Amino acid sequence: HLQLQESGPGLVKSSETLSLTCTVSGGSMTSSTYYWGWVRQPPGKGLEWIGSVHYSGSTYCNPSLKSRVTISVDTSKNQFSLKLSSVTAADTAVYYCARDEMGIAADSWFDPWGQGTLVSVSS
Amino acid sequence: QSVLTQPPSVSGAPGQRVTMSCTGSSSNIGAGYDVVWYQQLPGTAPKLLMYSSTNRPSGVPDRFSGSKSATSASLAITGLQAEDEADYYCQSYDTDIGSRVFGGGTKLTVL
Repeated sequence: HLQLQESGPGLVKSSETLSLTCTVSGGSMTSSTYYWGWVRQPPGKGLEWIGSVHYSGSTYCNPSLKSRVTISVDTSKNQFSLKLSSVTAADTAVYYCARDEMGIAADSWFDPWGQGTLVSVSS
Repeated sequence: QSVLTQPPSVSGAPGQRVTMSCTGSSSNIGAGYDVVWYQQLPGTAPKLLMYSSTNRPSGVPDRFSGSKSATSASLAITGLQAEDEADYYCQSYDTDIGSRVFGGGTKLTVL
């Protein structure tokens, strides 16, 4: 069955760029239907969609983060990545990757999810 | 402050039925966008519970059901079990923001 696993530094300095990779196993990323997304959750708070990418490289992002977000895909490695620039303490969160089931649809859903990785921003 | 409003907490005894709401507006649920529900057990990633407002993925017990009306949605759980104790989040799309949005979450306590 499909599994996703986030990886990357757990600590990033303020004003620098957060970089995470999600490795997909148990299936291919190259289905035309699916997108692949990132969602984050600050400690003790709710969920926030960051953005999603299609295997073709097409992306769409949360407008509130768009200016700082880059999402890319490497189908040869079955991976997709997130870069978030100019981070502040407000970007401290657990970052999840997930399959965006009907990505092109606005009210799509995420399933399955990776286990998440905590990224802390230090000053 | 989320555009989808969920009660911070609900509770019920084992075997009971509980419902939790997700209240939106004319720019999200009221605009016709479906609602998704996730269950997040303590210390774990969210798990898909309901999609397209009323559809259960395979593997989700039929004790869980979803409904949607004008500008709100609800998740009902019947035959409440201790293992249902978790945070529950709704998700939809908001045209004013131009983004997928989540509710603030509801913590379900099984008494």
